[in-house]
Amino acid sequence: DIQMTQSPSSLSASVGDRVTITCRASQRISIYLNWYQQKPGRAPKLLIYAASSLQSGVPSRFSGSGSGTDFALTISSLQPEDFATYFCQQSYSTVWTFGQGTKVEIK
Amino acid sequence: QVQLVVSGGGVVQPGRSLRLSCAASGFTLSTYGLHWVRQAPGKGLEWVAVISSGGSNEYFADSVKGRFTIPRDNSKNTLYLQMNSLRAEDTAVYYCASQYSSGASWGALDVWGQGTTVTVSS
Repeated sequence: DIQMTQSPSSLSASVGDRVTITCRASQRISIYLNWYQQKPGRAPKLLIYAASSLQSGVPSRFSGSGSGTDFALTISSLQPEDFATYFCQQSYSTVWTFGQGTKVEIK
Repeated sequence: QVQLVVSGGGVVQPGRSLRLSCAASGFTLSTYGLHWVRQAPGKGLEWVAVISSGGSNEYFADSVKGRFTIPRDNSKNTLYLQMNSLRAEDTAVYYCASQYSSGASWGALDVWGQGTTVTVSS
């Protein structure tokens, strides 16, 4: 199976900060990489698909980049509602996998 | 309104079976790829299984292969997760999710059910 490794596992940031989370695949996955946000007790929410396409209704402060094995999710100016856990997910193989998650906490 | 409603969770003893349901409203389930994803307490997301649109292909995570199946009842517009030979490590919140809109061809899951909790314990 393709392993997805996110870093960091957690981070502390302030409102207004620029935040970048990275995701590395154990083999090349083209741009079959999606990003989700999850808040406690809630289902995940799709933010970015195909590595860099913004899902409808998602604020433009979220952006994605990368291809092959290395990807990033950037929040350009962190807002109070962005404190959550973020997951990457590959859909390149028939068996999909998620990264372990990155928890974004308030500094 | 496009929606998935998940039900059927509960407490079950190791080795027993349980069936979860995922009922769709606002769209026809059989037209879309449908997935089950789970999350153990305090842990990350784990992809469990998929049934392709049309139902011709099914794939499972190694951790559940041979124990779980994903039948679908098109007349009820409902997807199921049939879980057999349950283990303590299957304890999790189970979500169903669909590849529904613009990101669907890239494997993006953009419609999610609310999740149901399965606890495997004696």
